[in-house]
Amino acid sequence: DVKVTQSSRYLVKRTGEKVFLECVQDMDHENMFWYRQDPGLGLRLIYFSYDVKMKEKGDIPEGYSVSREKKERFSLILESASTNQTSMYLCASSLGGVTDTQYFGPGTRLTVL
Amino acid sequence: RKEVEQDPGPFNVPEGATVAFNCTYSNSASQSFFWYRQDCRKEPKLLMSVYSSGNEDGRFTAQLNRASQYISLLIRDSKLSDSATYLCVVRPNQAGTALIFGKGTTLSVSS
Repeated sequence: DVKVTQSSRYLVKRTGEKVFLECVQDMDHENMFWYRQDPGLGLRLIYFSYDVKMKEKGDIPEGYSVSREKKERFSLILESASTNQTSMYLCASSLGGVTDTQYFGPGTRLTVL
Repeated sequence: RKEVEQDPGPFNVPEGATVAFNCTYSNSASQSFFWYRQDCRKEPKLLMSVYSSGNEDGRFTAQLNRASQYISLLIRDSKLSDSATYLCVVRPNQAGTALIFGKGTTLSVSS
């Protein structure tokens, strides 16, 4: 079974802090994704990566950056956390190809005070 | 027009009912289609892929109508455990890697 893990289930940070969210997958997947999910807005893509050291902006990249130094690890960085970044953050990975099923991690619920 | 649109519901049905969810997508070049299920406070998980000819998995039937850009999910003999949010998902094209998720339709099955 594919396993996608995220470093924290719950996180509380203060406004202005730098926040790192880590995601690791164990299936040698090419593609990795970061989403945020908010009530009424659904899943929104922040960034994705289709290879090591490669990244692409999603629909809402502002205020975020990412890092993919190793194939299995994809980090989301909030350079200076703000209250409107309070959300559920979900990481996903996929092998790629036509079917491109995405496997999600359990999510990190981030609260910025 | 939003890329993937779903009726948010909620759909409240008794056990044993048949319920259908619909979804429309805006990009006629879309290549792949899926239904994901998300339980409360959990991550989304693939329920089933949707093929042009339609496909069935037990009590679940998915259909695709490319001409109308319309996808459906039918659940027969609803169980309490079917209560969840169902996400319609579209892959825009073969070259891209990012899927587009609908906002989901919430189903509540009661005894």
